[in-house]
This record gives sequence, structure tokens and C-alpha cells, in this order.
Amino acid sequence: EADIYQTPRYLVIGTGKKITLECSQTMGHDKMYWYQQDPGMELHLIHYSYGVNSTEKGDLSSESTVSRIRTEHFPLTLESARPSHTSQYLCASSEPGPVVYEQFFGPGTRLTVL
Amino acid sequence: DQQVKQNSPSLSVQEGRISILNCDYTNSMFDYFLWYKKYPAEGPTFLISISSIKDKNEDGRFTVFLNKSAKHLSLHIVPSQPGDSAVYFCAASAAQGGSEKLVFGKGMKLTVNP
Repeated sequence: EADIYQTPRYLVIGTGKKITLECSQTMGHDKMYWYQQDPGMELHLIHYSYGVNSTEKGDLSSESTVSRIRTEHFPLTLESARPSHTSQYLCASSEPGPVVYEQFFGPGTRLTVL
Repeated sequence: DQQVKQNSPSLSVQEGRISILNCDYTNSMFDYFLWYKKYPAEGPTFLISISSIKDKNEDGRFTVFLNKSAKHLSLHIVPSQPGDSAVYFCAASAAQGGSEKLVFGKGMKLTVNP
């Protein structure tokens, strides 16, 4: 059973606000990921981390930033939210190792920027 | 250009019948494939996977078939149950190429009618 948590689940916020989306996992996974998904569309990788102090940008360009100071915590920050940031944000983690393991997803944060 | 394609956005089947979900890919470097299921307002959950060295993997009611020459995979659910109603995502990875990132399709909405 995967234990990965995201808060808040829903967020409605005005343009220009700074927001942080929280993601935590209790499985000790080194690898963590952030995806962005719009309705009816594929999940797009926007950030990933292979361990503490490791962060990389994903395939989809994003104005958000991430940090990985602790293994279990991988927050995503938007310095100045805009309506174009309205989307669902999904956090995931996976086990370490040379083999591709399935990624475990959190419940997501649905962000609406007015 | 989409590397993983799920060309049918939706499928409706009767309870007890077989559901067949299709997925095509274009990147010949992909060597590991996964299916995820997603309910509304939840994150995707892993369903089943297959390595490119196999052509079939079975887990209970779920079977995934891989046709490498056609760059095509399919998920069979038999018998289908109303609880299977969800959006199904196909994902692929080029693990041997050193990438553990997953590339997702747009998803297919499956409705199983009682």
C-alpha cells in the first residue's frame, strides 16, 4: 500500500499569489516526481528528484520550482500564480534501483488560479 | 509529437464482457510498459506492467499483451465489473536507455454498465 500524501487537495487562489503544494511519502523512496495534468490529456512530467539535494526539470517546461531537502518531502512552489497555471498537479514516488518500478501517486492537488 | 497514443477516448461495455484497451507507441527505445487506473479526484494507481522481453503478462482479471513489431499493446479485462469504470492510462519507459521517466498517453475512459 502506497503512502504518499498531497496537500491541499483543492486550492483556489488569485493571480500573483505565491503558493506551495506539499507532497510527502513515508515509504523511504529516493525517487520523486511532479506531473501536471489537464482534463482529457496525458500526464506531463514537470520535475523529478533522485534523492536529497537532487532536482531536475521534466519534459514539460514549468514556471514552478521544487526542493528536496528531506527524502520524504518534495514541495512544489509557484512564486506568482497565473490563470495558465490552473491544472491538476500529481506527485509520485518510486523505489530506487536500476529497474523501472511502478510509480506510486498521491491524490493530487487541483489548482485554480482566478 | 505524442510518443504514447491512446486513440480511443472512451469505451463502454456490459458487465461480464471483455474490455480491450489499446495503446500504440512510436519510440522504439521504450522497453517497459505500464497501465494505470484513475478514478475521479484520485491519483492514478498502478495496475499491471510488461517488459519488452515478454509478450504477455497476466494478473487475475487483467492481461496485457505486447506486440513489439507493431509497437502496440493492449489491456484485457475479463470479466469486466462496474468497479472497473475509470480512466486508464498507458505509460512507457526507456529503462535500458537510462531513462526511468514515464511517458503517458491521454487516457481512455472505460464505462462498465451493470
